[in-house]
Amino acid sequence: QEHLQESGPGLVKPSETLSLTCNVSGVSIRSYYWNWIRQSPGKGLEWIGYIYFSGSTKYNPSLESRVTISVDMSKNQFSLKLGSVTAADTAVYYCARGGYGASSLFHPWGQGTPVTVSS
Amino acid sequence: EILLTQSPATLSLSPGERVTLYCRASQSVRSSLAWYQQKAGQAPRLLIYDASNRATGIPARFSGSGSGTDFTLSISSLEPEDFAVYYCQQRGDWPLTFGGGSKVEI
Repeated sequence: QEHLQESGPGLVKPSETLSLTCNVSGVSIRSYYWNWIRQSPGKGLEWIGYIYFSGSTKYNPSLESRVTISVDMSKNQFSLKLGSVTAADTAVYYCARGGYGASSLFHPWGQGTPVTVSS
Repeated sequence: EILLTQSPATLSLSPGERVTLYCRASQSVRSSLAWYQQKAGQAPRLLIYDASNRATGIPARFSGSGSGTDFTLSISSLEPEDFAVYYCQQRGDWPLTFGGGSKVEI
């Protein structure tokens, strides 16, 4: 059964880099698109970006200057790095597969991991 | 970016009732609209994609319709497990965006 699990620090200091990993099990990371999405009380659900297993990426322009998404096929996982974080980056971060052959449908999702930006 | 406006923000209903939720896009997204359900403490779950296609395992009481800028999600007869927040998401243009959500409460 397919399962996505986010992991990473729950607390990040302002101006530092947020780093999260999504471990994928039950399906090969090859041949799919993989997304990061976040949810905060202030901004709701916000798409961060995707990576294709080949390494091609697309990011939300609002975050593009600070975001890097990468894939590690040997570990069947993909990762998110968000630099120069501020309190506005405090959110629950989700990873999700591109469903139904599309990069832009999110199915299924990981359970989410909360990240707080604070000194 | 395309703005999605959902209404109503909150709806108070009883099990067995029919519910219709609305999502309006600031510009046409053709039929490229999806609906998600989110229960408290859980990740969203895909219900409907491309306006009217039910995702795998989604009960037939859920249905979607619309195209262009106006879309609806209907639940024919509310079950206790349907009380949740519902979000629309467009994939007609980049960046992908979500609506603010509609909460269906008892």
